[in-house]
Formats: sequence, structure tokens, C-alpha cells
Amino acid sequence: AQSVTQLGSHVSVSEGALVLLRCNYSSSVPPYLFWYVQYPNQGLQLLLKYTTGATLVKGINGFEAEFKKSETSFHLTKPSAHMSDAAEYFCAVSGEAGSYQLTFGKGTKLSVIP
Amino acid sequence: DAGITQSPRYKITETGRQVTLMCHQTWSHSYMFWYRQDLGHGLRLIYYSAAADITDKGEVPDGYVVSRSKTENFPLTLESATRSQTSVYFCATTSGRGTQYFGPGTRLTVT
Repeated sequence: AQSVTQLGSHVSVSEGALVLLRCNYSSSVPPYLFWYVQYPNQGLQLLLKYTTGATLVKGINGFEAEFKKSETSFHLTKPSAHMSDAAEYFCAVSGEAGSYQLTFGKGTKLSVIP
Repeated sequence: DAGITQSPRYKITETGRQVTLMCHQTWSHSYMFWYRQDLGHGLRLIYYSAAADITDKGEVPDGYVVSRSKTENFPLTLESATRSQTSVYFCATTSGRGTQYFGPGTRLTVT
């Protein structure tokens, strides 16, 4: 079975500061890992994903994440926060091949302070 | 190309009533999912479907019923709504072990 832990339900950063959202996972198979973003009153949209290959993954809006197998982590970063980054972010891990299910973390709400 | 749509977007119903939430996709993806989103719980899987006429329970299926007679539609029915089913419901699709694409959600309030 898979599980995802997101450290911090709420993170606040100043505009222009580094954004770091933490995600740790457990999986019995090589994981596919995802970060989704949810803006108020909207559905989830894919920010980036790791499947295989390069462990540093770049996504939309300047975000990136690094898959670290030894640490079972997939932390999301952005060098410089923008006001428009304020949203809720969800980390997810894919289930075993054939199941196609995603297990989500509980989410981290990012606030950006002007 | 609408992709994935949900209706209604907002619904208020009374305890004990039956309510159906609709989900429609235009991609012909095999897999479809229903999640509920609640504060402090993230997204929890209610039911999913691997293909037409194939459905299976997720993490929180009690009180819900699904059907999938056509690939593009995946309705979720609350047979007798309870206040604990007040939530935001999301439908999603995928074509494989990869990205899931989400609808805009239905905000359901049970009074």
C-alpha cells in the first residue's frame, strides 16, 4: 500500500522568497510521483510528475521537484515566490502497475505575503 | 474540447434525499474516479471504474453508488444523503498509470 505525508498543512512565505513544500511517500513498487495545485474553487491541475529517468523534474510556473529514493522524498521548490502561487498543493503517489489509483497527501496551503 | 465536466457545480439537498452527481469526459479514457475533498483529509477515493460496466470501491464507498454504462459517463449517486456527505466532489480520468485529469468539482451541501 502507498501513503503520502506532506509536512505542514500551511506554509507562509514572503514574495520573492524560496518556496519549499515537503512530501514523503511510501510505496512497495517504484513510484510515480505527482504534484498538483488547486486554486480556490477550482479542480486540481498537474504541476509536475516523476515517472522514470531524470530525478529532477521541472513543471509549470517555475516549480521543480527532486525524487530522492534514499530519502523517499519528492519535495517541491520554487526559487522565488509570486503572489499568484498562493494555492493548495497536493503530493500524490501512483499505485502498483495496473491499478492506476493515486494516493494523495492531505495538502499544503501556501500563502504568499507581499 | 471540454475534457471533463461535472454537473451540477453546486447543490443543496436535504437529509434523506437521493442526489446524483454527473461526470462526463470527452477523451474516452478507460479509468474514471470519484473523490471527495474535506478539510484536513485531502482527497479520498470513493469509487473508481476501469471501463464501462467495471467499477470498484475506493477508500470511502459507504453511502454511495456508481454506475458506468458508457465510457464517457460516470455518475455518483448518494442514495440517502447525510450531513456527513457534505463535501466537494471531484471526478477524474486517466488513460494509464500516469496523470489524472480532474473536473471542476461539485460542492454539495446536505442540510
